[in-house]
Amino acid sequence: DAGVTQSPTHLIKTRGQQVTLRCSPKSGHDTVSWYQQALGQGPQFIFQYYEEEERQRGNFPDRFSGHQFPNYSSELNVNALLLGDSALYLCASSPGPLSGNTIYFGEGSWLTVV
Amino acid sequence: QQQVKQSPQSLIVQKGGISIINCAYENTAFDYFPWYQQFPGKGPALLIAIRPDVSEKKEGRFTISFNKSAKQFSLHIMDSQPGDSATYFCAASLNGRQLTFGSGTQLTVLP
Repeated sequence: DAGVTQSPTHLIKTRGQQVTLRCSPKSGHDTVSWYQQALGQGPQFIFQYYEEEERQRGNFPDRFSGHQFPNYSSELNVNALLLGDSALYLCASSPGPLSGNTIYFGEGSWLTVV
Repeated sequence: QQQVKQSPQSLIVQKGGISIINCAYENTAFDYFPWYQQFPGKGPALLIAIRPDVSEKKEGRFTISFNKSAKQFSLHIMDSQPGDSATYFCAASLNGRQLTFGSGTQLTVLP
């Protein structure tokens, strides 16, 4: 049983460019959340998707957008990249958005903006 | 009010010792408190979680102690091993919404 899978693993982008990160949730999970983890810090919630809709959003600008597909996979898009967007981007999935449902994280996508 | 404060920032323990990490929260509406373990270059892995109607939960060498009145919870790692050396994060969530993480504790277990 595959866990949460993310791609790409590492990528380097130039300031001002756009990036798309992809996530496949754990089998049986229909809720996907995205987190940003800067070096040496705890993950920060970006947004959560359930039933192909954005259900919750953290304190991130509109440059961060996402999408969930009918097969529950998800994409995170970041436009107009800034140097400060360099971080580990984590995808998390759970079997529904209700509290207490075990939330599993992927290995993350390392984004470096130069 | 959404903040979760974690201490200590770093912890060094001898093999076989007990590692204790503490967290405090403000929002009394939080209803789910997980602990995650993260190794360098890897994503966080769920260790153990507790709900506020329980004061203690034990799974193997890992125990969560929960003090609802003090709005604090802690992770105890018994018989700490060098393989436990990692960064540990406490977190809290409300009604299945986003996880709010602590700032992390870097644990080093000396052989």
